[in-house]
Amino acid sequence: DAKTTQPTSMDCAEGRAANLPCNHSTISGNEYVYWYRQIHSQGPQYIIHGLKNNETNEMASLIITEDRKSSTLILPHATLRDTAVYYCIVRSLSGSARQLTFGSGTQLTVLP
Amino acid sequence: DGGITQSPKYLFRKEGQNVTLSCEQNLNHDAMYWYRQDPGQGLRLIYYSQIVNDFQKGDIAEGYSVSREKKESFPLTVTSAQKNPTAFYLCASSIFDRRGRGNTIYFGEGSWLTVV
Repeated sequence: DAKTTQPTSMDCAEGRAANLPCNHSTISGNEYVYWYRQIHSQGPQYIIHGLKNNETNEMASLIITEDRKSSTLILPHATLRDTAVYYCIVRSLSGSARQLTFGSGTQLTVLP
Repeated sequence: DGGITQSPKYLFRKEGQNVTLSCEQNLNHDAMYWYRQDPGQGLRLIYYSQIVNDFQKGDIAEGYSVSREKKESFPLTVTSAQKNPTAFYLCASSIFDRRGRGNTIYFGEGSWLTVV
């Protein structure tokens, strides 16, 4: 699986959009971009994933550049409960047995 | 409710003892995983299992053992051979997305193991 690079930390004002970037310049054609978040002392929570088209669900939007070498997770209206470590992962489309490699992620702090 | 249940949430172990962490899922997922997370670090894969009665070592399998006798269950034993077992342990499972959009891994709430 390709490696990812994320900023170590970011701040965002409550109610504003949080934009979390991720670089994955070595991503291959069959690899998806996944986003998870983890609140302290809890298991990671799945947020969203995509291949090359932009995706949106009830939690967030995922914008993937045309060359697929980077992406941005957007939380449209950040709340204090969105404070967490956010992980960007790339992994290939394959059987259910593929392992998942998490890096160090981005600590997002939503400020009141 | 469907999900992944880990128990216990907190466990204290004396040095030299083996302990077993439970992981049960009712999502009908084929694959299950165990990860270890140390403070301020990402996740490291310990073991994973694709199907019943089969499992593979991950990146840090030394000092750990697993079994997969049932599809729903994937217990992890932390043996006395594990030199630094104090950590946060996460169980996960996944199923292949039949729409061909990749597979999503879901996590349990984790178990804290402390050696005293």
